[in-house]
Amino acid sequence: QVQLQESGPGQLKPSETLSLTCTVSGGSIYPYYWSWIRQPPGKGLEWIGYIYHDGGTTYNPSLKSRLTISVDMSKNQFSLKLTSVTAADTAVYYCARLRSNEAFEIWGQGTLVAVSP
Amino acid sequence: SYVLTQPPSVSVAPGRTARITCGGNNIGSKSVHWYLQKPGQAPVLVIYADSDRPSGIPERLSGSNSGNTATLTISNVEAGDEADYYCQVWDSSVDFYVFGTGTKVTVL
Repeated sequence: QVQLQESGPGQLKPSETLSLTCTVSGGSIYPYYWSWIRQPPGKGLEWIGYIYHDGGTTYNPSLKSRLTISVDMSKNQFSLKLTSVTAADTAVYYCARLRSNEAFEIWGQGTLVAVSP
Repeated sequence: SYVLTQPPSVSVAPGRTARITCGGNNIGSKSVHWYLQKPGQAPVLVIYADSDRPSGIPERLSGSNSGNTATLTISNVEAGDEADYYCQVWDSSVDFYVFGTGTKVTVL
């Protein structure tokens, strides 16, 4: 079955750039929508953005100025870059596949990213 | 922006029925999805499109949606149902995904 795995650094300093990759195994990037979601410690879920297999993107307006999501079909991966991080970006970051562009049907296990001086 | 409101907590005895509400303006016109999340784990989709269950999700979990409230119902509650539950919709007018505030279900 399809599995997702996030990878990337677990710690960053303020003002650095967060880079995460989600590797899709057991299935293809095509023809789905793929998304990033985050969850600050002890808090609820926040949608970050999504990318379509053709590279089209939509971002959460609150993050749009700092955010880039990209896809690499040859590696069956999609990635997130978030610039100028602050402590408010500390969260578990999940990648997920969208079902019919509406529900997040498959999730990665999540990766904790901590931002501290 | 669209807001989804859930009760912070619901407590239920084993074998009873738990109902978790998700309130939103005219939510009945949207497709609602539900996730459960156990501590330290990723969320799991348990209901999509108001009332459909992904494969592997027991029939004890059911969903409904009308007016300004969507409801996730867990029948014959078991200890293993203890988790946080989140509702979610896609606001198509602005292409934005909204999660509810989350409800912690405690089995007494």
